[in-house]
Amino acid sequence: GAVVSQHPSWVICKSGTSVKIECRSLDFQATTMFWYRQFPKQSLMLMATSNEGSKATYEQGVEKDKFLINHASLTLSTLTVTSAHPEDSSFYICSARDREQGASYEQYFGPGTRLTVT
Amino acid sequence: AQSVAQPEDQVNVAEGNPLTVKCTYSVSGNPYLFWYVQYPNRGLQFLLKYITGDNLVKGSYGFEAEFNKSQTSFHLKKPSALVSDSALYFCAVRAPGAGSYQLTFGKGTKLSVIP
Repeated sequence: GAVVSQHPSWVICKSGTSVKIECRSLDFQATTMFWYRQFPKQSLMLMATSNEGSKATYEQGVEKDKFLINHASLTLSTLTVTSAHPEDSSFYICSARDREQGASYEQYFGPGTRLTVT
Repeated sequence: AQSVAQPEDQVNVAEGNPLTVKCTYSVSGNPYLFWYVQYPNRGLQFLLKYITGDNLVKGSYGFEAEFNKSQTSFHLKKPSALVSDSALYFCAVRAPGAGSYQLTFGKGTKLSVIP
């Protein structure tokens, strides 16, 4: 089956530093990847839609200069949290669509990255 | 705009009993509906989906869901709950149409299966 990986699985960083999270589709090509943020005991909040070779589309209220998204290849999207602050601490999850499958197919989710900013 | 409601924050059920996790949706047109399960500190795992056809959809791990258009519902069910089914369950909807593949998720329902 389709597998999506995320790296790192968890990261602790100091306030003011930047952190990069990778999302990879391991056995399929993904023209579209999605980045979600999940607070404890809450649902997933879509942050942005990442399209290969073009700029990401950010949801309302998400700072594009703070959450930099790059989708440079059909198997890799990265989310960089710049100048991280404690309020950015969260569980970040990516998902990907297989470009070979039709619009009705499900998204495949990565295992998530736990970010803690101290 | 599309939306999903999961009216129960938590559902408790005894092991071996049937379980139901409720979901209602609002979307323009015919919906694509999904159920995902999340275990602690893990990503989401796909359970099942409804796109078209038979209203009763069977998925992974013995789960099934029934699409009810008149009630705009897509409740998740299992005839006999297992302790290992304890997890967080999310219902999601996508409106069919060109361009957007975004899913809208419900807030999630925590299922606890009691031994």
